[in-house]
Amino acid sequence: GAVVSQHPSWVICKSGTSVKIECRSLDFQATTMFWYRQFPKQSLMLMATSNEGSKATYEQGVEKDKFLINHASLTLSTLTVTSAHPEDSSFYICSAPRIREGAREQYFGPGTRLTVT
Amino acid sequence: GQSLEQPSEVTAVEGAIVQINCTYQTSGFYGLSWYQQHDGGAPTFLSYNGLDGLEETGRFSSFLSRSDSYGYLLLQELQMKDSASYFCAVRADDYKLSFGAGTTVTVRA
Repeated sequence: GAVVSQHPSWVICKSGTSVKIECRSLDFQATTMFWYRQFPKQSLMLMATSNEGSKATYEQGVEKDKFLINHASLTLSTLTVTSAHPEDSSFYICSAPRIREGAREQYFGPGTRLTVT
Repeated sequence: GQSLEQPSEVTAVEGAIVQINCTYQTSGFYGLSWYQQHDGGAPTFLSYNGLDGLEETGRFSSFLSRSDSYGYLLLQELQMKDSASYFCAVRADDYKLSFGAGTTVTVRA
């Protein structure tokens, strides 16, 4: 079954509003989670690393004041898209690393499709 | 930084074998992962190579040559459900993944 969940799975919002996306690790603790963005027919681009108990680390070119990340607990990270604009419409995916059967694996959430009108 | 190259698309018939190559240039390297993504879905983990050699998981195999900065994903006995995008991704030591542009595999009857 799923080990990382995201909520909501899709959201439509008006330009200028803010949207919060939740990412939860379901049966393991994740001190680190990652947020990606994927535009249609393109690859996944890492936006930021979410660290439990400390500030997120943003990739170059990603506005930290626009994409607010909070890692409130060992199982929850949230991404808030502030003052959303149509160009922010995208597929947002989180992931969490987990050691399973001796192997390190990244588990991805099901993604959140954001449409800004 | 990281740079990965893989073919943009591959088409093959059911039952065939497809090999997707991936070459990379990275500032740090711990391993090469492969992910499958169907339209509208999230990536799902297929395989990981931390050491040189071949890893086999059912119909899928992955190979890595660190000295050549090269790896491939082999899809055998292709099925229609294998039509999807396949991404190679380099993993840094803190689990960060840098993805290639993806290869769209289309399986025809």
